Amino acid sequence: EVQLLESGGGLVQPGGSLRLSCAASGFTFSSHAMTWVRQAPGKGLEWVSTISGTGGKTYYADSVKGRFAISRDNSKNTLYLQMNSLRVEDTAIYYCAKADSSGYYGAFDIWGQGTMVTVSS
Amino acid sequence: DIQMTQSPSSLSASVGDRVTITCRASQGISNYLAWFQQKPGRAPKSLIYAASSLQSGVPSKFSGSGSGTDFTLTISSLQPEDFAAYYCQQYDSYPFTFGGGTKVEIK
Repeated sequence: EVQLLESGGGLVQPGGSLRLSCAASGFTFSSHAMTWVRQAPGKGLEWVSTISGTGGKTYYADSVKGRFAISRDNSKNTLYLQMNSLRVEDTAIYYCAKADSSGYYGAFDIWGQGTMVTVSS
Repeated sequence: DIQMTQSPSSLSASVGDRVTITCRASQGISNYLAWFQQKPGRAPKSLIYAASSLQSGVPSKFSGSGSGTDFTLTISSLQPEDFAAYYCQQYDSYPFTFGGGTKVEIK
Protein backbone atom coordinates (compact mmCIF):
# COMPACT_ATOMS: atom_id res chain seq x y z
CA GLU A 1 0.00 0.00 0.00
CA VAL A 2 1.28 3.44 -0.94
CA GLN A 3 1.63 5.63 2.14
CA LEU A 4 2.98 9.04 3.04
CA LEU A 5 3.46 9.97 6.69
CA GLU A 6 4.36 13.52 7.66
CA SER A 7 6.00 14.53 10.93
CA GLY A 8 7.86 17.43 12.48
CA GLY A 9 5.09 19.94 12.92
CA GLY A 10 4.59 21.93 16.10
CA LEU A 11 4.50 25.33 17.72
CA VAL A 12 7.31 27.75 16.87
CA GLN A 13 7.87 31.44 17.47
CA PRO A 14 8.00 33.94 14.62
CA GLY A 15 11.47 33.94 13.12
CA GLY A 16 12.07 30.36 14.19
CA SER A 17 12.79 27.23 12.18
CA LEU A 18 11.25 23.82 11.76
CA ARG A 19 11.98 20.79 9.58
CA LEU A 20 9.14 18.66 8.29
CA SER A 21 9.58 15.09 7.11
CA CYS A 22 7.45 12.88 4.89
CA ALA A 23 8.21 9.16 5.04
CA ALA A 24 7.14 7.28 1.94
CA SER A 25 6.42 3.60 1.47
CA GLY A 26 4.83 1.24 -1.03
CA PHE A 27 6.34 2.71 -4.20
CA THR A 28 9.68 3.47 -5.84
CA PHE A 29 10.29 6.80 -4.14
CA SER A 30 13.10 7.99 -6.39
CA SER A 31 10.91 7.65 -9.49
CA HIS A 32 8.41 10.28 -8.44
CA ALA A 33 8.45 14.02 -7.95
CA MET A 34 7.15 15.10 -4.56
CA THR A 35 5.37 18.23 -3.41
CA TRP A 36 4.44 20.12 -0.26
CA VAL A 37 0.99 21.75 -0.15
CA ARG A 38 -0.33 23.70 2.83
CA GLN A 39 -3.74 24.72 4.12
CA ALA A 40 -4.19 27.56 6.58
CA PRO A 41 -6.97 27.07 9.16
CA GLY A 42 -10.34 27.33 7.44
CA LYS A 43 -8.74 28.21 4.10
CA GLY A 44 -8.05 26.54 0.77
CA LEU A 45 -5.05 24.66 -0.56
CA GLU A 46 -1.78 26.41 -1.44
CA TRP A 47 1.11 24.85 -3.33
CA VAL A 48 4.42 25.37 -1.51
CA SER A 49 7.24 23.49 -3.24
CA THR A 50 8.05 20.61 -5.60
CA ILE A 51 11.17 18.50 -6.09
CA SER A 52 12.03 16.12 -8.91
CA GLY A 53 12.67 12.42 -8.33
CA THR A 54 16.43 12.83 -8.35
CA GLY A 55 16.31 16.01 -6.30
CA GLY A 56 18.04 17.95 -9.04
CA LYS A 57 15.13 20.29 -9.74
CA THR A 58 13.27 22.31 -7.14
CA TYR A 59 10.45 24.82 -7.39
CA TYR A 60 8.99 27.24 -4.81
CA ALA A 61 6.04 29.50 -4.30
CA ASP A 62 7.05 33.16 -4.10
CA SER A 63 5.63 33.29 -0.56
CA VAL A 64 8.31 30.87 0.71
CA LYS A 65 11.21 31.39 -1.70
CA GLY A 66 14.42 32.11 0.15
CA ARG A 67 12.99 30.89 3.47
CA PHE A 68 12.02 27.29 2.80
CA ALA A 69 14.12 24.51 1.28
CA ILE A 70 12.78 21.24 -0.10
CA SER A 71 15.03 18.19 -0.24
CA ARG A 72 14.85 14.43 -0.31
CA ASP A 73 16.89 11.42 0.72
CA ASN A 74 16.08 8.63 -1.70
CA SER A 75 18.08 6.14 0.34
CA LYS A 76 15.69 6.77 3.24
CA ASN A 77 12.52 7.25 1.14
CA THR A 78 11.99 10.56 2.88
CA LEU A 79 11.02 14.05 1.75
CA TYR A 80 11.91 17.13 3.80
CA LEU A 81 10.90 20.75 4.11
CA GLN A 82 13.28 23.01 6.01
CA MET A 83 11.37 26.11 7.07
CA ASN A 84 13.33 29.13 8.29
CA SER A 85 12.34 32.69 9.22
CA LEU A 86 8.83 31.47 9.93
CA ARG A 87 5.98 33.96 9.92
CA VAL A 88 2.54 33.91 11.50
CA GLU A 89 1.07 33.51 8.02
CA ASP A 90 2.95 30.20 7.58
CA THR A 91 0.58 28.66 10.13
CA ALA A 92 -1.09 25.76 8.32
CA ILE A 93 -1.43 22.03 7.92
CA TYR A 94 1.38 20.89 5.64
CA TYR A 95 0.69 17.94 3.35
CA CYS A 96 3.14 16.04 1.22
CA ALA A 97 1.85 14.70 -2.08
CA LYS A 98 3.24 12.21 -4.58
CA ALA A 99 3.25 12.87 -8.32
CA ASP A 100 1.72 10.12 -10.40
CA SER A 101 3.53 8.16 -13.11
CA SER A 102 2.57 10.50 -15.94
CA GLY A 103 5.75 12.52 -15.66
CA TYR A 104 3.86 15.68 -14.79
CA TYR A 105 5.18 16.92 -11.48
CA GLY A 106 1.93 18.59 -10.54
CA ALA A 107 -0.34 15.59 -11.07
CA PHE A 108 -0.74 14.27 -7.53
CA ASP A 109 -2.25 10.89 -6.80
CA ILE A 110 -1.47 10.25 -3.13
CA TRP A 111 -1.51 12.65 -0.17
CA GLY A 112 -0.22 12.27 3.35
CA GLN A 113 -2.38 12.95 6.40
CA GLY A 114 -0.68 16.28 7.12
CA THR A 115 1.26 17.86 9.97
CA MET A 116 0.24 21.08 11.72
CA VAL A 117 2.63 24.01 11.96
CA THR A 118 1.69 26.88 14.26
CA VAL A 119 3.76 30.06 14.25
CA SER A 120 2.89 32.18 17.25
CA SER A 121 4.51 34.09 20.06
CA ASP B 1 0.32 33.19 -12.16
CA ILE B 2 -2.70 31.29 -13.45
CA GLN B 3 -5.81 32.01 -11.40
CA MET B 4 -8.34 29.23 -10.93
CA THR B 5 -11.92 30.31 -10.23
CA GLN B 6 -14.42 27.78 -8.97
CA SER B 7 -18.17 28.20 -8.88
CA PRO B 8 -20.25 27.99 -6.92
CA SER B 9 -18.32 28.42 -3.67
CA SER B 10 -20.97 26.34 -1.95
CA LEU B 11 -24.10 24.45 -2.86
CA SER B 12 -26.85 22.53 -1.12
CA ALA B 13 -28.06 19.32 -2.69
CA SER B 14 -30.05 16.23 -1.85
CA VAL B 15 -29.03 12.59 -1.94
CA GLY B 16 -29.50 11.38 -5.50
CA ASP B 17 -29.02 14.79 -7.11
CA ARG B 18 -26.70 15.39 -10.03
CA VAL B 19 -24.16 18.03 -9.11
CA THR B 20 -21.87 20.05 -11.36
CA ILE B 21 -18.97 22.23 -10.25
CA THR B 22 -17.20 24.60 -12.60
CA CYS B 23 -13.56 25.65 -12.68
CA ARG B 24 -12.21 28.38 -14.95
CA ALA B 25 -8.53 29.11 -15.59
CA SER B 26 -7.33 32.66 -16.26
CA GLN B 27 -5.43 31.35 -19.30
CA GLY B 28 -5.39 28.16 -21.31
CA ILE B 29 -4.01 25.12 -19.49
CA SER B 30 -4.78 22.42 -22.07
CA ASN B 31 -6.00 19.47 -19.96
CA TYR B 32 -3.54 19.87 -17.06
CA LEU B 33 -6.32 20.00 -14.53
CA ALA B 34 -6.99 17.88 -11.44
CA TRP B 35 -9.87 17.60 -8.98
CA PHE B 36 -9.65 16.75 -5.28
CA GLN B 37 -12.17 15.93 -2.58
CA GLN B 38 -11.59 16.95 1.03
CA LYS B 39 -13.74 15.94 3.98
CA PRO B 40 -13.59 17.91 7.25
CA GLY B 41 -10.44 17.16 9.22
CA ARG B 42 -9.08 14.91 6.49
CA ALA B 43 -6.38 15.17 3.85
CA PRO B 44 -7.37 15.86 0.24
CA LYS B 45 -8.10 12.85 -1.94
CA SER B 46 -7.27 12.81 -5.63
CA LEU B 47 -10.29 12.20 -7.86
CA ILE B 48 -9.43 13.19 -11.42
CA TYR B 49 -6.29 14.04 -13.39
CA ALA B 50 -5.78 15.26 -16.95
CA ALA B 51 -9.23 16.89 -16.73
CA SER B 52 -11.20 13.70 -17.29
CA SER B 53 -9.23 10.63 -16.14
CA LEU B 54 -10.34 8.94 -12.94
CA GLN B 55 -7.75 8.10 -10.34
CA SER B 56 -7.55 4.42 -9.46
CA GLY B 57 -10.32 3.38 -7.11
CA VAL B 58 -12.50 6.45 -7.65
CA PRO B 59 -16.11 5.49 -8.42
CA SER B 60 -17.48 6.22 -11.87
CA LYS B 61 -20.17 8.53 -10.50
CA PHE B 62 -17.42 11.17 -10.64
CA SER B 63 -16.57 12.56 -14.06
CA GLY B 64 -14.58 15.49 -15.36
CA SER B 65 -14.58 17.35 -18.63
CA GLY B 66 -13.14 20.39 -20.32
CA SER B 67 -10.02 21.72 -21.93
CA GLY B 68 -8.35 25.07 -22.30
CA THR B 69 -9.93 27.37 -19.73
CA ASP B 70 -13.26 25.80 -18.75
CA PHE B 71 -13.68 22.59 -16.78
CA THR B 72 -16.42 20.78 -14.90
CA LEU B 73 -16.64 18.11 -12.22
CA THR B 74 -19.90 16.17 -12.16
CA ILE B 75 -21.21 13.82 -9.51
CA SER B 76 -23.95 11.82 -11.17
CA SER B 77 -25.92 10.78 -8.08
CA LEU B 78 -24.91 12.39 -4.82
CA GLN B 79 -24.48 10.03 -1.89
CA PRO B 80 -24.01 10.85 1.82
CA GLU B 81 -20.27 10.17 1.59
CA ASP B 82 -19.90 12.78 -1.18
CA PHE B 83 -20.70 15.75 1.03
CA ALA B 84 -17.31 17.46 1.17
CA ALA B 85 -15.24 20.28 -0.30
CA TYR B 86 -13.96 19.97 -3.84
CA TYR B 87 -10.94 21.74 -5.31
CA CYS B 88 -9.59 22.07 -8.82
CA GLN B 89 -5.86 22.55 -9.49
CA GLN B 90 -3.86 23.43 -12.58
CA TYR B 91 -0.46 21.87 -13.20
CA ASP B 92 0.26 23.42 -16.57
CA SER B 93 2.83 25.82 -15.14
CA TYR B 94 4.44 26.96 -11.91
CA PRO B 95 3.22 28.04 -9.48
CA PHE B 96 0.65 25.28 -9.37
CA THR B 97 -2.60 26.90 -8.29
CA PHE B 98 -5.85 25.71 -6.75
CA GLY B 99 -9.38 26.96 -7.03
CA GLY B 100 -10.97 28.41 -3.94
CA GLY B 101 -13.05 25.29 -3.35
CA THR B 102 -16.71 24.30 -3.51
CA LYS B 103 -18.42 23.08 -0.37
CA VAL B 104 -21.17 20.56 -1.10
CA GLU B 105 -23.68 20.46 1.74
CA ILE B 106 -26.78 18.44 2.50
CA LYS B 107 -30.09 20.14 1.68
